[in-house]
Amino acid sequence: AQSVAQPEDQVNVAEGNPLTVKCTYSVSGNPYLFWYVQYPNRGLQFLLKYITGDNLVKGSYGFEAEFNKSQTSFHLKKPSALVSDSALYFCAVRDGLGYSGAGSYQLTFGKGTKLSVIP
Amino acid sequence: KAGVTQTPRYLIKTRGQQVTLSCSPISGHRSVSWYQQTPGQGLQFLFEYFSETQRNKGNFPGRFSGRQFSNSRSEMNVSTLELGDSALYLCASSLGIPNEKLFFGSGTQLSVL
Repeated sequence: AQSVAQPEDQVNVAEGNPLTVKCTYSVSGNPYLFWYVQYPNRGLQFLLKYITGDNLVKGSYGFEAEFNKSQTSFHLKKPSALVSDSALYFCAVRDGLGYSGAGSYQLTFGKGTKLSVIP
Repeated sequence: KAGVTQTPRYLIKTRGQQVTLSCSPISGHRSVSWYQQTPGQGLQFLFEYFSETQRNKGNFPGRFSGRQFSNSRSEMNVSTLELGDSALYLCASSLGIPNEKLFFGSGTQLSVL
């Protein structure tokens, strides 16, 4: 079974400061890892993904994420936070080994972290 | 290219009623997944369809069902609604291969009174 943990329900950061949103995962094979962002009353928007290769992945809106296989982590980072980054962030994992469960490429999400950037 | 379209945007129902939600995926996408989002539980996987076949189902009671049509459009149905079914229901489409991202609709906000 695959799972994702986002240990912080909420992260507060001052505008202009660096931000980190934490994520750890568990899968049987090699992981496919994703970050999504959700703004109020909206669906989820894709930020970035890790499939293979460089451990540092760059995505939309200046976000990046660092894959750490030994720590099974995929933390989301941004060097300088903006007020407009305030939103709900979800980490997700899919088992790259192949089908998970009964023949499906199911994506499993963490419970989300609410990021508040304070002006 | 049009995004994922979910209708209706909002629904208010009473306990015991049934409801049908609709999802039109991005053109060319053959996989449609459904998720239930609530403040306490986050996103819970409901089911996934690929080329009209249900590939997987989450841990929800049989009151929750779905289907996919030959044009990849999908519907989900909830019968005998309960108060706890109040949630945002999100539909996502993709090409259906493991390293591809999901594209989400804006969701249907269901309130059960």
